[in-house]
Amino acid sequence: GQQLNQSPQSMFIQEGEDVSMNCTSSSIFNTWLWYKQDPGEGPVLLIALYKAGELTSNGRLTAQFGTTRKDSFLNISASIPSDVGIYFCAGQLNPVNNDMRFGAGTRLTVKP
Amino acid sequence: ETGVTQSPTHLIKTRGQQVTLRCSSQSGHNTVSWYQQALGQGPQFIFQYYREEENGRGNFPPRFSGLQFPNYSSELNVNALELDDSALYLCASSFGQGKNTGELFFGEGSRLTVL
Repeated sequence: GQQLNQSPQSMFIQEGEDVSMNCTSSSIFNTWLWYKQDPGEGPVLLIALYKAGELTSNGRLTAQFGTTRKDSFLNISASIPSDVGIYFCAGQLNPVNNDMRFGAGTRLTVKP
Repeated sequence: ETGVTQSPTHLIKTRGQQVTLRCSSQSGHNTVSWYQQALGQGPQFIFQYYREEENGRGNFPPRFSGLQFPNYSSELNVNALELDDSALYLCASSFGQGKNTGELFFGEGSRLTVL
């Protein structure tokens, strides 16, 4: 099936630093989304992107839908301890159903 | 606004048994999707239900089946459990029309252990 390659697998950063993670695929997606999962909980939607080239912000988070529709990145500025968690990219193949393909996640650790 | 709720939160079964997991969707949402999340992996799409019918299925065998009820709640049934079925099963609700069908609202999941 269509795989999403998410990198890096893990990051250890100091509080206040900026973070960047990305997702690439060999397939074209109609929609790119970024989710965050805390331990013992389900993923929570952070940002949804619908058009190639679209750049969208949500507070300290910024994400972009790549122009080729095969990639996306997520930036977090001025990280804080509550940013700790696993970040997943997801691509939606078909808007009719929710056949979403998820990356394997980027585990973020923020040191105070 | 009521969020997505799943039950049970944890359960242990043995190989060959059957399991039923339940999900109540967020109010206002008419679509439910089920995902399997193995340890250290991203969620994998099992299937979606819209208007009480299966509306898309991932690469899972027929022993994974589901139902959606008129109130949009849903069940996931797994027969003949195998050890590899051990995972977190996530239910996600959404509004099944328009461009934002991919905006999923997940429950906390049901963690299944198969011994």
